[in-house]
Amino acid sequence: EAQVTQNPRYLITVTGKKLTVTCSQNMNHEYMSWYRQDPGLGLRQIYYSMNVEVTDKGDVPEGYKVSRKEKRNFPLILESPSPNQTSLYFCASSWSLASSYEQYFGPGTRLTVT
Amino acid sequence: DQQVKQNSPSLSVQEGRISILNCDYTNSMFDYFLWYKKYPAEGPTFLISISSIKDKNEDGRFTVFLNKSAKHLSLHIVPSQPGDSAVYFCAARKANSKLTFGKGITLSVRP
Repeated sequence: EAQVTQNPRYLITVTGKKLTVTCSQNMNHEYMSWYRQDPGLGLRQIYYSMNVEVTDKGDVPEGYKVSRKEKRNFPLILESPSPNQTSLYFCASSWSLASSYEQYFGPGTRLTVT
Repeated sequence: DQQVKQNSPSLSVQEGRISILNCDYTNSMFDYFLWYKKYPAEGPTFLISISSIKDKNEDGRFTVFLNKSAKHLSLHIVPSQPGDSAVYFCAARKANSKLTFGKGITLSVRP
């Protein structure tokens, strides 16, 4: 089954404690991205990757890091989480940037930073 | 600067009636427009799209209309069903560029 998986689905942590949210897709997609969804703000892109070892900032990259060492995985790293990073996070993938409209989204990770 | 605007945060309609979800955009370079649907505890899923060279695209109960001169698109759901209750995101993109999403609108279809 074609899918994008994220782990964990729910996470409560404390300010400053490094965390990683994993994302994996099994469709051999080149393009992957991370979004956060906040009330009244919709979906905003954090980072994206056009292929292995190629990543770039989205609209709200501050406080986040990503890596793309393998095609299928695109982890989101919060080196020192802060309460303003409490949000619902989605990973997404598509064949390429040109086909980015055909994005498949993961189920989401709800993060709470206290 | 919000380039894709969904100005109404919510909409409530009666089952069987038409739902009309509106979206405005400011960037005239956008050439492709999409609607995504999102249920609670799930990721968004693609619903329907339209190219800027068209003014209408239909898929079953869902029709998207594009008015380029007004920089406006709308999603019509006819007839509306309780299972259509979800958050709907409008999105747009320029050629070979990333998607820009609106804030979303929560649709509630009353039985």
